[in-house]
This record gives sequence, structure tokens and C-alpha cells, in this order.
Amino acid sequence: EAAVTQSPRNKVTVTGGNVTLSCRQTNSHNYMYWYRQDTGHGLRLIHYSYGAGNLQIGDVPDGYKATRTTQEDFFLLLELASPSQTSLYFCASSRDWGDYAEQFFGPGTRLTVL
Amino acid sequence: AQSVTQPDARVTVSEGASLQLRCKYSYSGTPYLFWYVQYPRQGLQLLLKYYSGDPVVQGVNGFEAEFIKSNSSFHLRKASVHWSDSAVYFCAVSAGVVGQLTFGRGTRLQVYA
Repeated sequence: EAAVTQSPRNKVTVTGGNVTLSCRQTNSHNYMYWYRQDTGHGLRLIHYSYGAGNLQIGDVPDGYKATRTTQEDFFLLLELASPSQTSLYFCASSRDWGDYAEQFFGPGTRLTVL
Repeated sequence: AQSVTQPDARVTVSEGASLQLRCKYSYSGTPYLFWYVQYPRQGLQLLLKYYSGDPVVQGVNGFEAEFIKSNSSFHLRKASVHWSDSAVYFCAVSAGVVGQLTFGRGTRLQVYA
């Protein structure tokens, strides 16, 4: 069973604040993803990575940076948080990039920007 | 670009009733199709997936889905729902490019006793 953990589970910050969301997977998966989930929009891909040091841009990357420091760890950075970034953030991982590859999701981080 | 439409934001059914959650996709090629479920305060979990072969695919917990190419649909079904099936269900499509898993907006299922 793939294990993806996220921290913190909840975070409140103010406009202009600096936030880092952490994700770790312990199943030696090559691919990791950051999504945001908003009511009425489903999940939207922010950034993804296929290995340490690699970063790819997703569909909604504006205002976000990401860094993959190791195969296990993928971070999402909001350097000047805005209220529009209030959302539920999910990290996911997959073994490979094949279209049939199942993505395993973490429990999510709820971020509120005041 | 691909897209997914789940026309029903909420579905309410009684326990023991049958269920169909609708999903329509838009993609010009052969899609990879998925159904995920999200239980309260949890991440998404894969229910089933389809690419080729028998258009009716079986998933976990008695769920199945049928791929109908002529209708661009991939509806999720269950013969008899249980209260524990209450969750949000997402249909998703992959178009063959890494990272491009496109989700629908989700359908919230409420099962009442």
C-alpha cells in the first residue's frame, strides 16, 4: 500500500505570508504531484516532478513554487500568499508516468489565507 | 485538451438502492479513464480504471463502470449502496501526457438509511 503523508494538515496564514507545504512518499515512486481542490473545480494540477531536482509546470502554477529535494520529498512554496490561494492541497505520487499509472494521494492540507 | 463533466454535483439515494454516477469526457484520442473516491477528511483513492478490453470494468467494493465510446461516457454503477459509500466521487481522464490527469468537479453521494 502506497503511503503519502502531508504536513501540516491545517495552516492559517495572512496575506503576504510565506508558507511551505510538505509531502513525503515512502514507496520509491518517481513521480510526485501537487494539486489544489476547490469547490466546483475538482482537482487542478499545480506542479509535478519526476525525480529529485526536477520540476514541471502544471495547469495552475501562478503564485506557487515547488522543489523536489529527494525522491521522497516534494515541497510546495507560497512566498506571498493571497486569499485566492485558500484551498485544500493534495500531494500524490505514482510509480511511473504511464497513462495507466495509479496516483496515490495524501490526506490533504487545508490552507486558509486571511 | 481533454475535459471531464460530472453533471450531478449531489446525489442522494437510500441504502440498498442502485446507483449510477454520470461522467462524460471530451478527448479526441483513446482515453485512459479513472474513478476515484474521497471519503471525509481523506485523500483520493482509486476505485477503478479503464483503457482497453471489456468495456465494463470492475472495481473495489462492488463498483463497476462502463465505457461507452459512442457516447463518450464512463458512468459508475453499484447494484446496492451502503451508508459507508457516502463520499465524493471523481471521474478523471488521462490523455497520454505525463502529469495530465484531468478531474471532473466531483459528485457528492449521500446514502441515507
